[in-house]
Amino acid sequence: RKEVEQDPGPFNVPEGATVAFNCTYSNSASQSFFWYRQDCRKEPKLLMSVYSSGNEDGRFTAQLNRASQYISLLIRDSKLSDSATYLCVVNRKKAGKLIFGQGTTLQVKP
Amino acid sequence: NAGVTQTPKFQVLKTGQSMTLQCAQDMNHNSMYWYRQDPGMGLRLIYYSASEGTTDKGEVPNGYNVSRLNKREFSLRLESAAPSQTSVYFCASISTGTGGYEQYFGPGTRLTVT
Repeated sequence: RKEVEQDPGPFNVPEGATVAFNCTYSNSASQSFFWYRQDCRKEPKLLMSVYSSGNEDGRFTAQLNRASQYISLLIRDSKLSDSATYLCVVNRKKAGKLIFGQGTTLQVKP
Repeated sequence: NAGVTQTPKFQVLKTGQSMTLQCAQDMNHNSMYWYRQDPGMGLRLIYYSASEGTTDKGEVPNGYNVSRLNKREFSLRLESAAPSQTSVYFCASISTGTGGYEQYFGPGTRLTVT
C-alpha cells in the first residue's frame, strides 16, 4: 500500500463547478500536509499548506482529518486555468522527506 | 534570484552510458533533494542532502550517486544508464520559516535511455 494515496481521476468538470479531492495517508506520525499543483510537463508548485483547523485561500479550501488520516481540497467556482494535477504531500518530521501522492488530474471544460 | 536551476533540460543516453545531472539553488537553503517522476507513480525520492556534506538515500537510490558539492549545488550521477531510468528528474530545495516550509523545484530534466 502506498503511504499517500489519491484517486488519479481525471475529474472532468464544467467551468463554475465545485470539485473536491481527497487523499489518505497511512503513517499516523505524519506532521505536515500540503497540496501542490503541477501543470503539464512543469515542476510542482506549492498550492497551500493544510492545517488541522482547516484553511482557505480564495476559492480553495483545505481540510485535515487526523483521526481518519485524510486530507481534502475543495475548489469552488472552477476556472479553466485550474486544469492541472493536484498532488497531496505529507511529511513525517520538520524539514524532512516529503512523500508525494501520485496526483489527481482535474480538467475544467468550458 | 533564479531559484532552483537544473541542467540539462533534455538528454538522450544509450544503455550503459554515464552522465551527471546538475542542480543549483541560490536561496541559501540547507536541504536539497532529487526526485524522479514516472507516469502513474508520482514523485519518488532518490537521494537527499539535509545539509552541506551529508547525503542520504531516499526511496529509489539504486543506480544513482549524488554529490553535495557545496551549499548551492547537488548533483545526481547515473554511472551506467538503463532504460528503467527513463524519467523526468526534479531537483528541489526547502525553505523553512515562521510560516512553515516550502519545497521549491527546478524545471526538471527529461531523460530517455535507449
